[in-house]
Amino acid sequence: RKEVEQDPGPFNVPEGATVAFNCTYSNSASQSFFWYRQDCRKEPKLLMSVYSSGNEDGRFTAQLNRASQYISLLIRDSKLSDSATYLCVVNSGGYQKVTFGTGTKLQVIP
Amino acid sequence: GAVVSQHPSWVICKSGTSVKIECRSLDFQATTMFWYRQFPKQSLMLMATSNEGSKATYEQGVEKDKFLINHASLTLSTLTVTSAHPEDSSFYICSARDTPIASYNSPLHFGNGTRLTVT
Repeated sequence: RKEVEQDPGPFNVPEGATVAFNCTYSNSASQSFFWYRQDCRKEPKLLMSVYSSGNEDGRFTAQLNRASQYISLLIRDSKLSDSATYLCVVNSGGYQKVTFGTGTKLQVIP
Repeated sequence: GAVVSQHPSWVICKSGTSVKIECRSLDFQATTMFWYRQFPKQSLMLMATSNEGSKATYEQGVEKDKFLINHASLTLSTLTVTSAHPEDSSFYICSARDTPIASYNSPLHFGNGTRLTVT
């Protein structure tokens, strides 16, 4: 089993739709979690950290479920500019051990 | 916010030559930087952890004699791909954390990446 798993997609959604991605992790001792977005041929950029209580930033909501070992990202009112690959990042085994998921590709369609 | 600068953005070189990639933290000090490689349609794979003033830590399967890492100051790490071959063509990205005392809760900030093409 991979340490961090994501559905690669692609998720094709119309503008204005709500879309959710899940990411599962295998190490129960994982300590911190992040969502990054990566545009084609560019470096990943931090979208948001994921806190135990769940957190929201505008149209984006992130949640953590430690019991089931997954994190989620919800995007409301999708924009064309949201089209990107969303990477789940898990920090475990000390602060240097960062594992990336393979990413979920989102395509927002006009 | 924290800025990590990577240079060059892209490079084309001939097989057998060496290529040096620089990674700089512009507004913070980074005792540790990370080097990743990403092949098309694949996830980022950690190659090595660069430690200021000491040897880098390489991930399993990464040849330390081929990918030379130097972290001579708190703001600069370099990755040199020696005797490059076409299979080394990839997207190389560095990253660092921006907190003075780096912790696992602080996110990584990435350089803009270097696209290497070996002909």
